[in-house]
Amino acid sequence: NAGVTQTPKFRVLKTGQSMTLLCAQDMNHEYMYWYRQDPGMGLRLIHYSVGEGTTAKGEVPDGYNVSRLKKQNFLLGLESAAPSQTSVYFCASSFRQGSNNEQFFGPGTRLTVL
Amino acid sequence: DQQVKQNSPSLSVQEGRISILNCDYTNSMFDYFLWYKKYPAEGPTFLISISSIKDKNEDGRFTVFLNKSAKHLSLHIVPSQPGDSAVYFCAASRGYGNNRLAFGKGNQVVVIP
Repeated sequence: NAGVTQTPKFRVLKTGQSMTLLCAQDMNHEYMYWYRQDPGMGLRLIHYSVGEGTTAKGEVPDGYNVSRLKKQNFLLGLESAAPSQTSVYFCASSFRQGSNNEQFFGPGTRLTVL
Repeated sequence: DQQVKQNSPSLSVQEGRISILNCDYTNSMFDYFLWYKKYPAEGPTFLISISSIKDKNEDGRFTVFLNKSAKHLSLHIVPSQPGDSAVYFCAASRGYGNNRLAFGKGNQVVVIP
């Protein structure tokens, strides 16, 4: 049982390049989330999904797109990376409503945009 | 506008003593609160939670206190151990089972052996 895994762990991009971050969970969770963590800013929600085929905007969605084609996977895309997107990205998952709100986090992806 | 606030970003405490972390929130609709612990280069892990119908929840060395009228909660770690050295995040949600969490900026705790 691997929990929540993220690929890749590290990435360096040039401004304008694109990339996709992959999140996978094996806990059969309905909900999945993407956060970014910046120094002194805590965790901010980018996008989330309440089920396969559904996505919704979080607190800071601009510049990102997401897809949830399979229940166990949640992809975060950057179409044209900007230095302001340099951050550590965390994926999380949880059971549907009725649980104790606990979200399970992946180990993070450290992204640098030059 | 930060709805969950954690002041005093860092705390140093001697091993065996009590660590107290504070968290304030502004949204009166929040009624479920969680604390997460984060080690460097790892994702946050759930520590303890409390519903607004309670004022205290205890789990081993960790106790969370909630003061709804003051919109304030605190996490007590007794006794503090070197392995508790980490960043602690306070989080809040509207409703048990609500899928969205608002996080504070985190508190760095250093436990000195």
